[in-house]
Amino acid sequence: DAGVIQSPRHEVTEMGQEVTLRCKPISGHNSLFWYRQTMMRGLELLIYFNNNVPIDDSGMPEDRFSAKMPNASFSTLKIQPSEPRDSAVYFCASSLRGGGEKLFFGSGTQLSVL
Amino acid sequence: GENVEQHPSTLSVQEGDSAVIKCTYSDSASNYFPWYKQELGKGPQLIIDIRSNVGEKKDQRIAVTLNKTAKHFSLHITETQPEDSAVYFCAANQLGGNQFYFGTGTSLTVIP
Repeated sequence: DAGVIQSPRHEVTEMGQEVTLRCKPISGHNSLFWYRQTMMRGLELLIYFNNNVPIDDSGMPEDRFSAKMPNASFSTLKIQPSEPRDSAVYFCASSLRGGGEKLFFGSGTQLSVL
Repeated sequence: GENVEQHPSTLSVQEGDSAVIKCTYSDSASNYFPWYKQELGKGPQLIIDIRSNVGEKKDQRIAVTLNKTAKHFSLHITETQPEDSAVYFCAANQLGGNQFYFGTGTSLTVIP
């Protein structure tokens, strides 16, 4: 299996622009997580999907952030408008059934908002 | 909610020595404890995990121990090699729960 695939690997944008991050989970996994990693706050869970349905979005920082999972093999995380404080590494992860199951991470998207 | 603390934040060892990283958790309902290794520019990679019905698990040079009573678990790396240099994260999770609570990470440097 190719693992969790994220794109782009790097994104540099200007403040106010829309940013879309993409994720393809491991085939057969039905739980998908979006995390943000910064030096200050470590790994933060933003949102979690189970069977394509958002279950817990309490970690989404503001209305500027939105996430979708239109099918079992694709998810997006959108930031509109982006701000410099959104600069971080964003990881997508997937697991077979969520809690208690092995969680596999993608390589991440390094986002820089200037 | 769960609170996971990880120590030390940085660790340097000579090649061939052992390295130990410790984590504590607060919620007795947590029963799944994975460890991740993150190399520079990469995502966290699962290296070993343990469930609460087991006290120890080994995989070659890596072992994890769990003390449910004291609510702490540890990662042990023996015969360290330079390629073991990375940031290591512990996490706690409940079976049936979606939230993984991560420690703050330990930056391990193995000196050749």
